[in-house]
Amino acid sequence: DQQVKQNSPSLSVQEGRISILNCDYTNSMFDYFLWYKKYPAEGPTFLISISSIKDKNEDGRFTVFLNKSAKHLSLHIVPSQPGDSAVYFCAASVITGNQFYFGTGTSLTVIP
Amino acid sequence: DAMVIQNPRYQVTQFGKPVTLSCSQTLNHNVMYWYQQKSSQAPKLLFHYYDKDFNNEADTPDNFQSRRPNTSFCFLDIRSPGLGDAAMYLCATSSSGSTDTQYFGPGTRLTVL
Repeated sequence: DQQVKQNSPSLSVQEGRISILNCDYTNSMFDYFLWYKKYPAEGPTFLISISSIKDKNEDGRFTVFLNKSAKHLSLHIVPSQPGDSAVYFCAASVITGNQFYFGTGTSLTVIP
Repeated sequence: DAMVIQNPRYQVTQFGKPVTLSCSQTLNHNVMYWYQQKSSQAPKLLFHYYDKDFNNEADTPDNFQSRRPNTSFCFLDIRSPGLGDAAMYLCATSSSGSTDTQYFGPGTRLTVL
């Protein structure tokens, strides 16, 4: 049973515009969330995280929003750049645990 | 300055022929993970080591085993690969688990003929 879901397999955005990637989760015990970015032929690399005590975390062009009541988080990239084209994975965990549960990923294409 | 190295990057084996995938790290991290990722699916945790303590996920098939002879190396052994085991295998490390960032290797693509 998939506890973390990314319902959009792909997304295309014009360079300079905002990219919004969405993630939903079902386990209300999750209290820590991350986004990973993956280029072809490389492993996922950590992008940004948020704990459940916050509803927003910002790092440069990347902002993650968390809506606990809706069990939803989103990653905003502003402005989008062609180098942002990659697969983005959402992951969630319980802070006291050792395991991260991953979504299936969203492939972002930023069109120059 | 590669941090998590996986060898080989591509592995082809025959149905039922044992295969070993290798992972090494230069980060001196305590925790090492093995994930299986099939096409268009989420990475699925198979097991992890916290130092020498082995933690197997409940739904990981017995066909999958792991060894961690020292801090730097971790191996994934598939004793009798089936066609359904064809996947990308990702190794990751973290300093102490929990909310620590996981650093991933590039993965090994396993093909079973």
